[in-house]
Amino acid sequence: QKEVEQNSGPLSVPEGAIASLNCTYSDRGSQSFFWYRQYSGKSPELIMSIYSNGDKEDGRFTAQLNKASQYVSLLIRDSQPSDSATYLCAVIPIIQGAQKLVFGQGTRLTINP
Amino acid sequence: NAGVMQNPRHLVRRRGQEARLRCSPMKGHSHVYWYRQLPEEGLKFMVYLQKENIIDESGMPKERFSAEFPKEGPSILRIQQVVRGDSAAYFCASSPGVEETQYFGPGTRLLVL
Repeated sequence: QKEVEQNSGPLSVPEGAIASLNCTYSDRGSQSFFWYRQYSGKSPELIMSIYSNGDKEDGRFTAQLNKASQYVSLLIRDSQPSDSATYLCAVIPIIQGAQKLVFGQGTRLTINP
Repeated sequence: NAGVMQNPRHLVRRRGQEARLRCSPMKGHSHVYWYRQLPEEGLKFMVYLQKENIIDESGMPKERFSAEFPKEGPSILRIQQVVRGDSAAYFCASSPGVEETQYFGPGTRLLVL
């Protein structure tokens, strides 16, 4: 089982719709969760961080965390063509005892005009 | 406030040469992380450093790779006797403290001929 799993996609969503990205993780003790966006040929850019169960909203983005289910998601409302990118879920696994980010493979999102 | 800086942005080396990648963390950040992204693969942790100390090098290949973060100056990732399989994007990230958000630099794209 991979430490962090994401559906690699591609996920295609019409402009203006809600894009839903999902991620599961294996280390039950993990406390810190992050969503990064990466455009092709560029570096990862932080979208959201979340540490507590529930929802966290920032503009068009909402991160959802369910530690009991070991599940974290990212919702993008009113999707724009500029949201087309690869979205990386990352976790700091407590069991490893260090501060490294463990990334999923990423979900490639395409917003169709 | 300048972000994480990396240089060079692109580096071409022939097999057997040495590659030196530099990273200056964001102002106020004392934690530095190096990640590697192979073509069509996810980001993988390599090493975590604080000033003058390697904290976690569990992701570093056992041979040819080394990293340092001296008291003065940038963090250096050094690859000796490069091989074609070392061709990848190498990203540096920094954070102000443990379990805090890591911010990524623009990356160094290494091509080994």
